[in-house]
Amino acid sequence: DQQVKQNSPSLSVQEGRISILNCDYTNSMFDYFLWYKKYPAEGPTFLISISSIKDKNEDGRFTVFLNKSAKHLSLHIVPSQPGDSAVYFCAASALFSGSARQLTFGSGTQLTVLP
Amino acid sequence: DTGVSQDPRHKITKRGQNVTFRCDPISEHNRLYWYRQTLGQGPEFLTYFQNEAQLEKSRLLSDRFSAERPKGSFSTLEIQRTEQGDSAMYLCAVEPGGWETQYFGPGTRLLVL
Repeated sequence: DQQVKQNSPSLSVQEGRISILNCDYTNSMFDYFLWYKKYPAEGPTFLISISSIKDKNEDGRFTVFLNKSAKHLSLHIVPSQPGDSAVYFCAASALFSGSARQLTFGSGTQLTVLP
Repeated sequence: DTGVSQDPRHKITKRGQNVTFRCDPISEHNRLYWYRQTLGQGPEFLTYFQNEAQLEKSRLLSDRFSAERPKGSFSTLEIQRTEQGDSAMYLCAVEPGGWETQYFGPGTRLLVL
């Protein structure tokens, strides 16, 4: 039962263009969403997040959009750079055990930015 | 500082052996999490500590797995009688109080032969 899905295993984009990575979720209890970037043999690096009370959050070249009615979020990277090439994970967060949060991850999208 | 170090970074062991991994947050964080990531998948939650108390365990954490956080700072994850299916990257994460964001260490990659 995959509660968080990233349906595109890979994406290739030309340098300077926009990269759009998509993520769908099923559990209505999720109220906080995060994107992580991961290089081989390293741990995930936090990129950007969004609360369920918002529909957009921007941080430099990265923007995350949340559509609660569709249970869909996306990460936009503009402009894309070769250094952005990595696996991107979408994660959804729900409260448990008081104020602690458990992350549920998608299976990741390999982004390749071509020079 | 939300830095987390993990040791060892790589471990190769034979089936049936016991292994122990360590997670060291650079500064004090109340909340510490362990995740496991297998090839082609995202990280999966294993267990959670609030200070030294282990408050949540995933059904993925069989009785061969045990985790501790004795003084509420570093944490260890032990796997007894390892199986080939235990081969994965084991990730530790901390959550600075009130931030709602978890920050991951570099992970320990385990290969069970």
